Amino acid sequence: DGGITQSPKYLFRKEGQNVTLSCEQNLNHDAMYWYRQDPGQGLRLIYYSQIVNDFQKGDIAEGYSVSREKKESFPLTVTSAQKNPTAFYLCASSIGPAAIVYGYTFGSGTRLTVV
Amino acid sequence: QKEVEQDPGPLSVPEGAIVSLNCTYSNSAFQYFMWYRQYSRKGPELLMYTYSSGNKEDGRFTAQVDKSSKYISLFIRDSQPSDSATYLCAMSPNSNSGYALNFGKGTSLLVTP
Repeated sequence: DGGITQSPKYLFRKEGQNVTLSCEQNLNHDAMYWYRQDPGQGLRLIYYSQIVNDFQKGDIAEGYSVSREKKESFPLTVTSAQKNPTAFYLCASSIGPAAIVYGYTFGSGTRLTVV
Repeated sequence: QKEVEQDPGPLSVPEGAIVSLNCTYSNSAFQYFMWYRQYSRKGPELLMYTYSSGNKEDGRFTAQVDKSSKYISLFIRDSQPSDSATYLCAMSPNSNSGYALNFGKGTSLLVTP
């Protein structure tokens, strides 16, 4: 079955550490996105990529970095510069930028906690 | 002021009730309106999308857009316990800006047997 796989489901980070969240899709989607979800805040866009080897900052990119070396993969690194990283992180993909008609396909998320 | 406002609830209704979920927005450029459903500890999934004003029906779900009032609604008829989830509205000014979706905070719905 096609879909998006995020790993790990739960991740604990010590202060000052960088951690990388994995996102893999086998839907042959061109566009991929990273969102952060906090209680009472809704979804906020961190980074997006519309094509391999290209990505753009979203609304809250500070303290995060991404790469898009393969169509299937869009890992997110949460750096030590991100002051409040505890959140639920969602990866999504869409058929090109036309996410309106076909919608995003979301992964099941990674819950990151700073300890 | 956020561009999209949505009451977070929680909203609790008995099984079989008609549920009304709503969002308001401030950006008159929004043309595409979507509803996503998110079960606990899962990613959201697209329920419906509508373009501009009007109604759209899909089974027990009806999406309604009133652009003059900048107000959108999702109605769920004959609600079931399996409808218990968080419902997020999302909006975009055009169909080719997948990166430009504006999400509401989500409304938590509980349907009790």
